[in-house]
Amino acid sequence: DIQMTQSPSSLSASVGDRVTISCRASQTVSSDLSWFQQKPGKAPKLLIFATSNLQSGVPSRFSGSGTGTDFTLTISSLQPEDFATYYCQQSYSTPRTFGQGTKVDIK
Amino acid sequence: QVQLQESGPGLVKPGQTLSLTCTVSGGSIGSGSYYWTWIRQPAGKGLEWIGRIYTTGRTNYDYSLKSRASISIDTSKNQFSLNLSSVTAADTAVYYCAREYWEQLVYFDLWGRGTLVTVSS
Repeated sequence: DIQMTQSPSSLSASVGDRVTISCRASQTVSSDLSWFQQKPGKAPKLLIFATSNLQSGVPSRFSGSGTGTDFTLTISSLQPEDFATYYCQQSYSTPRTFGQGTKVDIK
Repeated sequence: QVQLQESGPGLVKPGQTLSLTCTVSGGSIGSGSYYWTWIRQPAGKGLEWIGRIYTTGRTNYDYSLKSRASISIDTSKNQFSLNLSSVTAADTAVYYCAREYWEQLVYFDLWGRGTLVTVSS
């Protein structure tokens, strides 16, 4: 299985801050990397697919980059509705695997 | 628009079989562009991929669950289902069905709202 490791596991930030979340794969996943946002009691919501493609309807303050084994999700200016848990996920091989999550809360 | 909805018992006894169904509305499950997937999330924990099925009936499972999990599809009802046998408390989780688009780019573009299944006597 490809192991996905996110860092940090949690972070505290203020509205307006630039936030960066990292995701590392145990082997290459090419560009087959997605990011999801999950709020309590809700299903995950797709933000970014194929490393850097913004899902329709997702604000442009979200962006993704990377290739191979190292990937980054950036929120350029954190908004109140962005406080949530974020997961990376690889679609390069089965079984599909997710990172352990990064919880973003209010400083 | 296309929606997914999980259904099934919310409480299952240890040793029994967990059975869930995902109903696809607003579109055809027979579309060749998607894999139909089950994912679960224990309370306070991360997301675990269980397995998937294609319209042909071809399946893939997570190795740790392969001996207990079975996914089937009924295109006439626009549904796919999960059976998980010999459940224990460790199988208590919110279970999600999801659609994975796989042509050229691959990603989970649609999720159900999830259903909580508790394993307890």
